[in-house]
Amino acid sequence: DAKTTQPNSMESNEEEPVHLPCNHSTISGTDYIHWYRQLPSQGPEYVIHGLTSNVNNRMASLAIAEDRKSSTLILHRATLRDAAVYYCILRDWSGTYKYIFGTGTRLKVLA
Amino acid sequence: NAGVTQTPKFQVLKTGQSMTLQCAQDMNHNSMYWYRQDPGMGLRLIYYSASEGTTDKGEVPNGYNVSRLNKREFSLRLESAAPSQTSVYFCASSETAGRGNEQYFGPGTRLTVT
Repeated sequence: DAKTTQPNSMESNEEEPVHLPCNHSTISGTDYIHWYRQLPSQGPEYVIHGLTSNVNNRMASLAIAEDRKSSTLILHRATLRDAAVYYCILRDWSGTYKYIFGTGTRLKVLA
Repeated sequence: NAGVTQTPKFQVLKTGQSMTLQCAQDMNHNSMYWYRQDPGMGLRLIYYSASEGTTDKGEVPNGYNVSRLNKREFSLRLESAAPSQTSVYFCASSETAGRGNEQYFGPGTRLTVT
């Protein structure tokens, strides 16, 4: 199974950009890269996903390396409400369908 | 739209008791999922239903059964609860099980087995 590696925690100042890195060196050519976040005591929330090209939506941007072995989630202006655990996930379909969630990056936003 | 709803929100069971966790979605999604999250860990897939009428095992299915009652509802049953099943359980749904589809999660059920 292709796995992801993320830093355990990061800090950011409010209203500054945040770059959350993810390494996935064993990604296969057809794996999508998904990002979810989980606020305290809530279920995960979809943030963004992509395959090869960089992607933007109202919440964030996703920058995917040309070799697809890494990606970066970009929050353009962090707010206190962005404090959460961010999961970088590969959609794996190897017999049994599953997301592999990992332990994610805990983002702390400082006022 | 309520999205994905789960009942109950909290439950305490004694070892050996049984219970059913209920999940419903109002987004007309075809695929539904059950996950568990242990403290400090990411989510692990228990069972999923790619479409109405089908169910399949995920990563950690032992000790659980599921029923896809109709397109909207997907229940998770613990026949004989064990302390190792103490966890937070999340239900999710997606339009299809395709790799590009995002999943929508419910608020979770916090289960303690004593």
